Amino acid sequence: GENVEQHPSTLSVQEGDSAVIKCTYSDSASNYFPWYKQELGKRPQLIIDIRSNVGEKKDQRIAVTLNKTAKHFSLHITETQPEDSAVYFCAASTMQGAQKLVFGQGTRLTINP
Amino acid sequence: DTAVSQTPKYLVTQMGNDKSIKCEQNLGHDTMYWYKQDSKKFLKIMFSYNNKELIINETVPNRFSPKSPDKAHLNLHINSLELGDSAVYFCASSAGRVNTEAFFGQGTRLTVV
Repeated sequence: GENVEQHPSTLSVQEGDSAVIKCTYSDSASNYFPWYKQELGKRPQLIIDIRSNVGEKKDQRIAVTLNKTAKHFSLHITETQPEDSAVYFCAASTMQGAQKLVFGQGTRLTINP
Repeated sequence: DTAVSQTPKYLVTQMGNDKSIKCEQNLGHDTMYWYKQDSKKFLKIMFSYNNKELIINETVPNRFSPKSPDKAHLNLHINSLELGDSAVYFCASSAGRVNTEAFFGQGTRLTVV
């Protein structure tokens, strides 16, 4: 089955700097890669996603890149702000009769003012 | 209007008891899921239903029994609760048999004492 590895597990950056979180996946059949943000005590919420037919996608300060050959994808957050502090999860999705999202272990991002 | 709602939000119970968590979505989605988030924040899929039909059943003890009376509802019943069942359980839904955004409920924090 699919296995998703996420690094680093914790990341601390100064406000205004960039943050990068990396994930690798094992199943070449995975074709959808969402990123979720989970604030303390809240539900995971989608912040950006990318499909396997696209190499890069950007939404304001957030971008995601995908390298299908190497089976890895990354989240880039620029000009970080205190409200970016949260746990971020990458996921890879395959279809097995229904969508099956397999999540990475999560990255706790802390933005220092 | 809450898109995916689950009740209760908190559940504290003794070992050996039986408990249920309810989930409802008003997004018109065909697919619903149960995820378990352990103390290390790892999110793991347990079950997936599409139009009341069980599609994905991960290696979950058979003390856990999902029930979907209609495509807008997916409940989780747990028999003979054990200490290791303590976790946050998230219900989620998505549009159907395609890879797309999964919307999560607010979670149910289950504590077994």
